[in-house]
Amino acid sequence: GQNIDQPTEMTATEGAIVQINCTYQTSGFNGLFWYQQHAGEAPTFLSYNVLDGLEEKGRFSSFLSRSKGYSYLLLKELQMKDSASYLCAVRDGAGRRALTFGSGTRLQVQP
Amino acid sequence: NAGVMQNPRHLVRRRGQEARLRCSPMKGHSHVYWYRQLPEEGLKFMVYLQKENIIDESGMPKERFSAEFPKEGPSILRIQQVVRGDSAAYFCASSPGTSSHEQYFGPGTRLTVT
Repeated sequence: GQNIDQPTEMTATEGAIVQINCTYQTSGFNGLFWYQQHAGEAPTFLSYNVLDGLEEKGRFSSFLSRSKGYSYLLLKELQMKDSASYLCAVRDGAGRRALTFGSGTRLQVQP
Repeated sequence: NAGVMQNPRHLVRRRGQEARLRCSPMKGHSHVYWYRQLPEEGLKFMVYLQKENIIDESGMPKERFSAEFPKEGPSILRIQQVVRGDSAAYFCASSPGTSSHEQYFGPGTRLTVT
C-alpha cells in the first residue's frame, strides 16, 4: 500500500527557517513533489526530487533520501505569505503518473 | 498563457442529482488528472486521461463516477446521483506529456451536496 506521513501543523516566526518532514512507504518510486496550497486555492508546484540530495530554488530547498524513504522541505527567511499548507506527494511507479499525496502540513507564520 | 481552467468554481446539488465538472487544460497540454480533496484531508487521485483515452482510473469509485476527455472540448468529470459524501473540492491538473513531471493544478470546483 501507499503511506505518506507529514506533520499536521507547524508554527514558525517570520524571518526564521522551518523544515517540514515527509516520510513515505510506496510500492515503487518515481519522484517526490512538494506543493504549496493556500486556503481555498489550487496547489502550486514547489519542487521535484528523483535522485538523492538537495535541490535549492531561492528560499525553498527540498531534500530526498530514497533509502530512508524521507524528504524535507526547507523554507528560509520566512514571510507571512508563506502561511499555507505544504503537500508532499510521491509518484509511485514507473509509467504510472498519478501522484499520491500526504495530508499536508499547515504552516502558520507568526510575526 | 492561461492556466488550467475549471468551471464551475462552486456547484450546489441536491442528493440524487447529477454533477458535471469541467476542466480545460493549459494550452498545449494533452494529459489531464482529476483529484478529490475532502475537508481536512489530502488530495486523492481519481483518474488520468489523455485525449479520448482513460489511462488510469484506479482511484475512481466503481459506481456513479465517470470521466472523459474528448478530442475537442474540456475534460468532464461526471457524478451521477450525488450523495452528501461527494461534497468535496475537485481539482484538475494537466501536464504537457510523458516527458514532463510537473502537474499544473486548476482552481478547483467545490461541490456541495445538500
